[in-house]
Amino acid sequence: GAVVSQHPSRVICKSGTSVKIECRSLDFQATTMFWYRQFPKKSLMLMATSNEGSKATYEQGVEKDKFLINHASLTLSTLTVTSAHPEDSSFYICSARWRVSDTQYFGPGTRLTVL
Amino acid sequence: GESVGLHLPTLSVQEGDNSIINCAYSNSASDYFIWYKQESGKGPQFIIDIRSNMDKRQGQRVTVLLNKTVKHLSLQIAATQPGDSAVYFCAENVFTGGGNKLTFGTGTQLKVEL
Repeated sequence: GAVVSQHPSRVICKSGTSVKIECRSLDFQATTMFWYRQFPKKSLMLMATSNEGSKATYEQGVEKDKFLINHASLTLSTLTVTSAHPEDSSFYICSARWRVSDTQYFGPGTRLTVL
Repeated sequence: GESVGLHLPTLSVQEGDNSIINCAYSNSASDYFIWYKQESGKGPQFIIDIRSNMDKRQGQRVTVLLNKTVKHLSLQIAATQPGDSAVYFCAENVFTGGGNKLTFGTGTQLKVEL
């Protein structure tokens, strides 16, 4: 099956710093990648859709200047949480979609803790 | 900080029994549906999918049923095993002006008792 990786798996940072999370599709090309956020015991909430070579499309209520997304290649998308605060602490998950299929394959997630 | 909400709906089954997890979706225009399994601290794992022109699809030990009339989706797991313990999410594919995206259900916690 398709493999999607995320790095780092866990990160702890101080309030006010920025954190970058990488999402890679390892064995396929993904023109579209998605970024989700998940709180404990809750479902996944889509934050933004990232298309290779173009600006990301953000969901309503998601601050684009807060959550910077870059999709520079067909195998890599990054999410940068700028000036992180404790309320940004969450589980961030990316997914990638094949060009010819609607199926999204998910990464293992990144646990962000902001102190 | 992170929100603290209600516990997920839970389904408890005995090992070896069949499990049925249900999901109601909202958009009658949805054309594609997927079931994902999520273990604690991990990302969702694809289980099985179904397109809207079908009403049943079978995989290995799993079957998905789609009832478009009442907008209902179910996942059946045969001979449930301890390794099946996880949270299960249904997702519907919705086409918007920005392209296709998935909307996830609230999830069901499956607990397999020995």
